[in-house]
This record gives sequence, C-alpha cells and structure tokens, in this order.
Amino acid sequence: AQTVTQSQPEMSVQEAETVTLSCTYDTSESDYYLFWYKQPPSRQMILVIRQEAYKQQNATENRFSVNFQKAAKSFSLKISDSQLGDAAMYFCAYRSYNQGGKLIFGQGTELSVKP
Amino acid sequence: DVKVTQSSRYLVKRTGEKVFLECVQDMDHENMFWYRQDPGLGLRLIYFSYDVKMKEKGDIPEGYSVSREKKERFSLILESASTNQTSMYLCASSGGRWSISRYTFGSGTRLTVV
Repeated sequence: AQTVTQSQPEMSVQEAETVTLSCTYDTSESDYYLFWYKQPPSRQMILVIRQEAYKQQNATENRFSVNFQKAAKSFSLKISDSQLGDAAMYFCAYRSYNQGGKLIFGQGTELSVKP
Repeated sequence: DVKVTQSSRYLVKRTGEKVFLECVQDMDHENMFWYRQDPGLGLRLIYFSYDVKMKEKGDIPEGYSVSREKKERFSLILESASTNQTSMYLCASSGGRWSISRYTFGSGTRLTVV
C-alpha cells in the first residue's frame, strides 16, 4: 500500500521570504501523480500544483514550485515571495495511475506567514 | 461554477444516533469520495463510489456506510454515532475512474458527537 508522510506539522515563514514544505512517499508503482493541496481556514481544498511521475521536469505554478526526486520518493513544495494569504494547511497527496481516483494524503503541514 | 455541496457545515449529534451526511455535486462526475480529516492524521478515505449503486471501502470504513442512489448524491451514514467519530468530514468528486480530472471538494462538515 502507498503511504505519504509529511514530517513537519508546523512551519513558519516571514512575508516575502521563501519556504519549503517536505513530503516523502512510498510506493512500488512507477506511474502515479503527486499533488499539493492548500486548505485555508475556509476549509475549501485548493489544488496548488500537480506532478506526473513520468515527467522529469519539476512542475511550477507562479510562486509555487516542486522538487520531485523520484528515486528518493521525495516531493517538496517551495513557496517563493510568501504572502499572508499563503497561510494555510498544506497537504501532499498521491494518486495511483491505475487504481482509479483515490487520493492518499499526508498528515498536513500548517504554514503561518509572519508580516 | 462547479460545486460540491455538503448539507451541513456544523452538526452536533448524540451518541447512538443514526447520522446522515449528504453530499451533492453538479458536475456529472462518476467518482465520489468521503474523507475524514483529523489533526495529525491528514485526510483518510472512508468510502468511495465509481458509479451509481456502487461503493467500495476505503481505509477506515468501520462504523460507516454509504448510499449512492443517484449519480449526483453520495451519502455517508453513521449507523450509531460514537464520540470517536467526532471529526471533520470532507466529500469530493472527480471525473471518470481512469481520468486525471481534477478533484472538487466540498467545504466540509464538522461533526461533534456528544
């Protein structure tokens, strides 16, 4: 069975600085997807970024980028130029390529942004 | 705008009650999911459904059941609520079983069992 681990329950960053959230996963599959979701206090889960395992190039979305290390099974999220609105719970998630649409989530990292 | 709507944002129930959590999506999605969110544990899959009248157990199905009589509606049922089922419950939907269509989440129901 696949597992996802986020070892940082809480992180803090100064506004305008850069922060990296860590995620590791375990799987025996070679094809899969990885995601980072953001959950602000409104509770609405928002997709931040997605990575297909077959792609070597790291995904980027504006200020958000990932460092995907397939051999190490590591998938970290870097947030550049942090803004107050980035404060939220962040979840890393795994989805198998051939097991339908189930998402497997990590424990979450709560990010606070200091003005 | 596409939506997944959960019927209640907050719910307080008594131990032993039968509880229904309702979820409706308007995107004609085949897949629907129920997750439970607890601090330090992340989101854990309770049940999911790939089609009407189909259901499959997730990682923590004990104490729960589900119903999917119509494509747009997926209900989570707590047969006899217990205090250890106090949690946040999130519903989600996505497109075809083998597609990578985006998940859409509801806003969650925070259930307290007293």
